[in-house]
Amino acid sequence: GPKVLQIPSHQIIDMGQMVTLNCDPVSNHLYFYWYKQILGQQMEFLVNFYNGKVMEKSKLFKDQFSVERPDGSYFTLKIQPTALEDSAVYFCASSPDWGRYEQYFGPGTRLTVL
Amino acid sequence: GDSVTQTEGLVTLTEGLPVMLNCTYQSTYSPFLFWYVQHLNEAPKLLLKSFTDNKRPEHQGFHATLHKSSSSFHLQKSSAQLSDSALYYCALSENTGANTGKLTFGHGTILRVHP
Repeated sequence: GPKVLQIPSHQIIDMGQMVTLNCDPVSNHLYFYWYKQILGQQMEFLVNFYNGKVMEKSKLFKDQFSVERPDGSYFTLKIQPTALEDSAVYFCASSPDWGRYEQYFGPGTRLTVL
Repeated sequence: GDSVTQTEGLVTLTEGLPVMLNCTYQSTYSPFLFWYVQHLNEAPKLLLKSFTDNKRPEHQGFHATLHKSSSSFHLQKSSAQLSDSALYYCALSENTGANTGKLTFGHGTILRVHP
């Protein structure tokens, strides 16, 4: 079936550094999402993105976070600067439309902030 | 706000026995409900979804019935297989004009099936 790829699978960085998480969504999908999962906790919505714009963001999507998808390339989540509490697994997802449509998830990027 | 409750963190079963994983929800509007399954080191994948009260979607032997009266969407299977061992998430998406596709997840239930 359709696959979402995430690069890298693991990332270790020092607190205060910038990090970019990359997502290669399903090719004909128009809606993109990031979710955050802290170890032992549930997956939580961060942000969704459509037509070059953020549609909705949660309170977890701090000012240090940004998303973009320049020219149909990777859908990225940038954190600048990182904080210890940003350590988590970040899942990217995409869907052809919103609401009742299936979201296809990537395998996640495990981010460790030291 | 919306919420999803999965009461069991871990369910351990013997192969061949029936499976039931609980899911209840709170939402202002009648939401769309989903079950996602995540096998070890893999991406979460949609198992099944339901949008109409009392409709029973089925996939890979699993089924779930959406009951608006009890705000539940329990996942069931008549006979567990070893390959069913995985993490199962119940999730909802708001059914409103303002919906942007955001999924609200439960904590997840680990299903372990042993011989």
